[in-house]
Amino acid sequence: EPEVTQTPSHQVTQMGQEVILRCVPISNHLYFYWYRQILGQKVEFLVSFYNNEISEKSEIFDDQFSVERPDGSNFTLKIRSTKLEDSAMYFCASRHDNYGYTFGSGTRLTVV
Amino acid sequence: GESVGLHLPTLSVQEGDNSIINCAYSNSASDYFIWYKQESGKGPQFIIDIRSNMDKRQGQRVTVLLNKTVKHLSLQIAATQPGDSAVYFCAEKAEGFQKLVFGTGTRLLVSP
Repeated sequence: EPEVTQTPSHQVTQMGQEVILRCVPISNHLYFYWYRQILGQKVEFLVSFYNNEISEKSEIFDDQFSVERPDGSNFTLKIRSTKLEDSAMYFCASRHDNYGYTFGSGTRLTVV
Repeated sequence: GESVGLHLPTLSVQEGDNSIINCAYSNSASDYFIWYKQESGKGPQFIIDIRSNMDKRQGQRVTVLLNKTVKHLSLQIAATQPGDSAVYFCAEKAEGFQKLVFGTGTRLLVSP
């Protein structure tokens, strides 16, 4: 069964550093997403991406965040200057049409 | 604001029992709902979905019921197994929007 792949599985970074989280969505999917989950809390939407542009974003997704699809397979989330409160699990998701969101296994980001 | 919430944070059942996990939603514009299972350290795993033009959908050992009148969603798991132990989230999507809004989650504990 096709999977959404995320790397790395765990990233530790110092406060103020830039991090890039990587995702390989399912190959024929058209819509791409990033969500995050702070430990013990619910999954929160960050951003959606379609046709090479952001189609929707949340209040969390401020100027410190950016997304990119640099080639035909990767989808990245960049955090320019990490803060302690950015520590969370970050999930990438993709879907082909209006239904069927598939999530990756996540990247655990720890900011120290 | 609009939100999705769960009535019970933890549900404990015996192996073989039927489990029912409930979810209340408040956005009357939501037209698509998904139940996800999340095991520790993993991403949300799709269980079953339902569109707003339906009130019931069945899968293998799982049934989702949608009551739009009272904005209520439930997940029924038949013959619950220890492997069903996880946190279960409901999620909704409003028509015209990309994002999924997740509920707070219910932990299901299945005792052998």
